[in-house]
Amino acid sequence: QKEVEQNSGPLSVPEGAIASLNCTYSDRGSQSFFWYRQYSGKSPELIMFIYSNGDKEDGRFTAQLNKASQYVSLLIRDSQPSDSATYLCAVKERGSTLGRLYFGRGTQLTVWP
Amino acid sequence: ETGVTQTPRHLVMGMTNKKSLKCEQHLGHNAMYWYKQSAKKPLELMFVYNFKEQTENNSVPSRFSPECPNSSHLFLHLHTLQPEDSALYLCASSQDWASGGAGGETQYFGPGTRLLVL
Repeated sequence: QKEVEQNSGPLSVPEGAIASLNCTYSDRGSQSFFWYRQYSGKSPELIMFIYSNGDKEDGRFTAQLNKASQYVSLLIRDSQPSDSATYLCAVKERGSTLGRLYFGRGTQLTVWP
Repeated sequence: ETGVTQTPRHLVMGMTNKKSLKCEQHLGHNAMYWYKQSAKKPLELMFVYNFKEQTENNSVPSRFSPECPNSSHLFLHLHTLQPEDSALYLCASSQDWASGGAGGETQYFGPGTRLLVL
């Protein structure tokens, strides 16, 4: 059984701070990693994906991947109240049957003004 | 319409009813997926279709029956459901499934159907 674990939260940060969201996975053969944001009552929307070790930046968001430690994180700089949502980590294993993503339970983030 | 659409957005049904959920993607993708999202649980993959062919059935009870007439449309037929089937049902699509890092395997979700079984 593939496991994707996220820090349980809820995570609460003040506006303007850096929010750090963490995710670990059990399958060392995992290949692709995705971060989704889900507002309450809405569907998940893609923030970014990462495949290679290191950092990937997109605006205020930075994904960090360390395959040796089986760890992927998402940093949100200059956090805004509009970033308040549940963040889902998803992992796809190498050579998996079509499209199978394993999702974590999500971390709820609250950014207070 | 753009992206992935789902209808209805909300559905209330009795355990003896038969209903269908519809999903349509306008992204030119080849793969489509059904997920179930229950409170306090991770997203659960139910079915996967690639080029209209079902490639995965994740041990879903037979009271859920998928149908994929073409690469743009996906249905989930429901009959004799149980109250524990109440959940958010999400459809997703992706360009392909094994792009090896080019992003084509990224899944894009529809707005979901909130289902309540009484």
